[in-house]
Amino acid sequence: EAGVAQSPRYKIIEKRQSVAFWCNPISGHATLYWYQQILGQGPKLLIQFQNNGVVDDSQLPKDRFSAERLKGVDSTLKIQPAKLEDSAVYLCASSWTGANSPLHFGNGTRLTVT
Amino acid sequence: GNSVTQMEGPVTLSEEAFLTINCTYTATGYPSLFWYVQYPGEGLQLLLKATKADDKGSNKGFEATYRKETTSFHLEKGSVQVSDSAVYFCALRMNSGNTPLVFGKGTRLSVIA
Repeated sequence: EAGVAQSPRYKIIEKRQSVAFWCNPISGHATLYWYQQILGQGPKLLIQFQNNGVVDDSQLPKDRFSAERLKGVDSTLKIQPAKLEDSAVYLCASSWTGANSPLHFGNGTRLTVT
Repeated sequence: GNSVTQMEGPVTLSEEAFLTINCTYTATGYPSLFWYVQYPGEGLQLLLKATKADDKGSNKGFEATYRKETTSFHLEKGSVQVSDSAVYFCALRMNSGNTPLVFGKGTRLSVIA
């Protein structure tokens, strides 16, 4: 099966600019996650979708971050305006519904904010 | 809240050495436990998992046993190779509902020939 696709692979922007990341999950996976991985740390959940509904966005900085999954398939994560501390790798993952279903991760988008 | 603590890295070993990466967890209830691996320039890949106490997960020569009494899930391999050089993440996921993975900070392993 095709894996989780993410784009772009790399992005460099200046602070206060906006940026968007795209994710296409594995076909049929109802659950989609966005994680932020800061250098030297483990991935931290930003938002979880079940189909096109938000399950958990408690750690999403909603003043600058937004995400959507309009048709329950692809998802977009946006940052506006970006701050220096947003420099990180943004990982998208998807899974079947169910606690024992493993998460499948994309290769991530590496964001550098200057 | 739920959390995972891993041993600090980096860990540097010679080829064919024995590997242990310690992982302990704190959780309300009984989670499933996972080890993910991240090779240079690649995404996270599931290495192995265990869903209940005393289960042993294994893959590619790596093993980890779910120890409820010590809330641990230590990763071991008897003989590491240069190709095992990567960052290893321990993670948990609660067994109720459709919950996300909670990760540790990761341990970087470098294996030298």
